[in-house]
Amino acid sequence: QVQLVQSGAEVKKPGASVKVSCKASGYTFTSYGISWVRQAPGQGLEWMGWISAYNGNTNYAQKLQGRVTMTTDTSTSTAYMELRSLRSDDTAVYYCARLREPTDAFDIWGQGTMVTVSS
Amino acid sequence: SYVLTQPPSVSVAPGQTARITCGGNNIGSKSVHWYQQKPGQAPVLVVYDDSDRPSGIPERFSGSNSGNTATLTISRVEAGDEADYYCQVWDSSSDRWVFGGGTKLTVL
Repeated sequence: QVQLVQSGAEVKKPGASVKVSCKASGYTFTSYGISWVRQAPGQGLEWMGWISAYNGNTNYAQKLQGRVTMTTDTSTSTAYMELRSLRSDDTAVYYCARLREPTDAFDIWGQGTMVTVSS
Repeated sequence: SYVLTQPPSVSVAPGQTARITCGGNNIGSKSVHWYQQKPGQAPVLVVYDDSDRPSGIPERFSGSNSGNTATLTISRVEAGDEADYYCQVWDSSSDRWVFGGGTKLTVL
């Protein structure tokens, strides 16, 4: 079945970086894009950006420009999201989600990865 | 920047109809998607492109969109529908996705 499986929880210190993976299965990886969405504790959903698994094109939320990098490895059908210069307000559950076109709905979501930033 | 406004909470008795609104400037000109999120779980797409349902989503879930308001309607509400619901649109003027603040549906 179609699924996205994310890497496990992370605990990082302020100023460090984190890289979360999202492994796709059950569909042709390069026919879809991957968006990343985060959710701070008790808060709503925040879109972080999108990457095309076909050609690697990206579109990042302005708020995160310069701190976030999204990549894909088509040989393993895996997408990655790296966030640098972590702050306490980056503490959140990070989700990857599949979409066919950049403006389509997110039809499949990963299970989420908790990232805690604490000194 | 484009803003989507949802009521923080909606309450409904079992078997009744719940309506969750999503307000935005001329939102009727955009495609609206709706997600259901239960505690500790990832969001699930329940309505896309204003009123279409993904496979596996009950017909009790429907959507509409006109003017400045989009609405998710859940008919014959069940206890299992208790969750947070989020609306979402693509803001072409800024090339970014926008989520509403979310609505907590409580089944009394």
